[in-house]
Amino acid sequence: DVKVTQSSRYLVKRTGEKVFLECVQDMDHENMFWYRQDPGLGLRLIYFSYDVKMKEKGDIPEGYSVSREKKERFSLILESASTNQTSMYLCASSLYRGRYTFGSGTRLTVV
Amino acid sequence: AQRVTQPEKLLSVFKGAPVELKCNYSYSGSPELFWYVQYSRQRLQLLLRHISRESIKGFTADLNKGETSFHLKKPFAQEEDSAMYYCALNTGNQFYFGTGTSLTVIP
Repeated sequence: DVKVTQSSRYLVKRTGEKVFLECVQDMDHENMFWYRQDPGLGLRLIYFSYDVKMKEKGDIPEGYSVSREKKERFSLILESASTNQTSMYLCASSLYRGRYTFGSGTRLTVV
Repeated sequence: AQRVTQPEKLLSVFKGAPVELKCNYSYSGSPELFWYVQYSRQRLQLLLRHISRESIKGFTADLNKGETSFHLKKPFAQEEDSAMYYCALNTGNQFYFGTGTSLTVIP
């Protein structure tokens, strides 16, 4: 059973802080994704990666960056957290397009 | 442009009643469509894919290319079906999610 693990379930950070959200998958998937989930807006793609050290912008990359130094780990970085980045963040991985496996999510609150 | 539209944000049905969650998509190529479900306090998970034409937990979804729809149906709703449902479209280059429908099954 594929597991996608997000390091924190809940996180509270102050405005201006640099925030790291970590995601690890254990099934050797090439593809990894970061989404944010907001009521009424659904899931929106922030960044994705199809290989180590490779990254592509999604629909809402502003204010975020990512790092994929190892195949199993995909980190989302908020360079300077702002209140409008308060959201639920979901990491996903896939071997084949469409068969995504999602992590449990990190609920980030920026105060 | 919104690629996947789920017109209902909230849907309530009584236990045992039929349920249909609507999904319309916009894509000129050959679509690959999915339904994902998120139960309370659980992770988002794949429910079914149109390619496999399967029935999962009593749910089915038929791709109607003429109407560009992929509605999710179940003949008799159960309380455990209460969840958030997302329709998703894979165009080959990108994956698009609808805004989700929150289904509540009333006992």
